[in-house]
Amino acid sequence: GAGVSQSPSNKVTEKGKDVELRCDPISGHTALYWYRQSLGQGLEFLIYFQGNSAPDKSGLPSDRFSAERTGGSVSTLTIQRTQQEDSAVYLCASSLDITTNEKLFFGSGTQLSVL
Amino acid sequence: GQQLNQSPQSMFIQEGEDVSMNCTSSSIFNTWLWYKQDPGEGPVLLIALYKAGELTSNGRLTAQFGITRKDSFLNISASIPSDVGIYFCAGQTGANNLFFGTGTRLTVIP
Repeated sequence: GAGVSQSPSNKVTEKGKDVELRCDPISGHTALYWYRQSLGQGLEFLIYFQGNSAPDKSGLPSDRFSAERTGGSVSTLTIQRTQQEDSAVYLCASSLDITTNEKLFFGSGTQLSVL
Repeated sequence: GQQLNQSPQSMFIQEGEDVSMNCTSSSIFNTWLWYKQDPGEGPVLLIALYKAGELTSNGRLTAQFGITRKDSFLNISASIPSDVGIYFCAGQTGANNLFFGTGTRLTVIP
């Protein structure tokens, strides 16, 4: 596609429910990132995928968070047993490869609200 | 993660004024980047800096990579209403990660 696409754009869920957030990176981009942006805060790194290498999960805040990337393209971020503090904008970004990772292209994000 | 301190947190300026914001860290970075985020959108890269002391311009925007490699500033000259948004600095150390500042929220009053 022309840009990074994320869905849904907004998600409202009840505390304790699981949610899945989807990211379609730019076609041909091998690097994919997930960031979390809480209200009034900067971007918090969550997880990073590069090609077929093992993902860098060092930013995931708890074991309730997981992500996968199927076929080296689409990625899904899953949050289990959501808590109110999980409410934030979840941003996905992609770049051509690891050597150009500073040239990130971001999606518009998924606004998650946990009631 | 590494902490980047960005200031000011917010700015209210008159259209036509110049703007200056900066970012400091206790860590050394190899690359400094400046992004702008419009409401409801993801951040978009404005300027990338790769060398200590480097001064780079992009239209009305000018950014510098500090000599110590621990800081960077962004200037916007002759601000216009569409400059409104949140500006983030980001520093890169190794090959696979960026650390973002907390952002400067800019409001331009026509």
